[in-house]
Amino acid sequence: GAVVSQHPSWVICKSGTSVKIECRSLDFQATTMFWYRQFPKKSLMLMATSNEGSKATYEQGVEKDKFLINHASLTLSTLTVTSAHPEDSSFYICSARDAGARANYGYTFGSGTRLTVV
Amino acid sequence: AQTVTQSQPEMSVQEAETVTLSCTYDTSENNYYLFWYKQPPSRQMILVIRQEAYKQQNATENRFSVNFQKAAKSFSLKISDSQLGDTAMYFCAFMKNNNNDMRFGAGTRLTVKP
Repeated sequence: GAVVSQHPSWVICKSGTSVKIECRSLDFQATTMFWYRQFPKKSLMLMATSNEGSKATYEQGVEKDKFLINHASLTLSTLTVTSAHPEDSSFYICSARDAGARANYGYTFGSGTRLTVV
Repeated sequence: AQTVTQSQPEMSVQEAETVTLSCTYDTSENNYYLFWYKQPPSRQMILVIRQEAYKQQNATENRFSVNFQKAAKSFSLKISDSQLGDTAMYFCAFMKNNNNDMRFGAGTRLTVKP
């Protein structure tokens, strides 16, 4: 089945530094990937839609200069949290759609990244 | 904008019994897709079942089935013969036919008791 690898699974960084999270589709091509943020015991909130070879589309209220998204290939999207602050601490999850699959197949999710900013 | 509502923050069920999780949604679209995802303590999102809005027949996957009521915009999940491994957060999700993003409900925390 389709597999999405997300790395790192957890990271601790100092306030003011930047952190990069990678999302890779291992056995399929993903023209579109999605980045979600999940607060403890809360739902997944869509942050942005990452499109291969073009700029990401951000949801209202999400700072595009803080959360930089790059989707340079059909198998890799990255989310960089720039100048991280403690309020950016959260669980970040990516998902990917198989470009060759029907829409009703849903998406495959990465295992998530727990970011803690100290 | 589409909204997905799960009105049950927490549910519990005895092992081997049946439980139904509720989900309603709001949309003006006619064609769309609905999903139930499971998130166990590992936090890996796992697809449980999916339903196309144009199909009247309710989807079934082994012990999991849905009751899809399009007119009522309701999409409940029934878990039969509950197992301890079913303990998890369950999220209902909506996706428009011509739009790629998926929107989630607030989730229901299900606990299966031995």
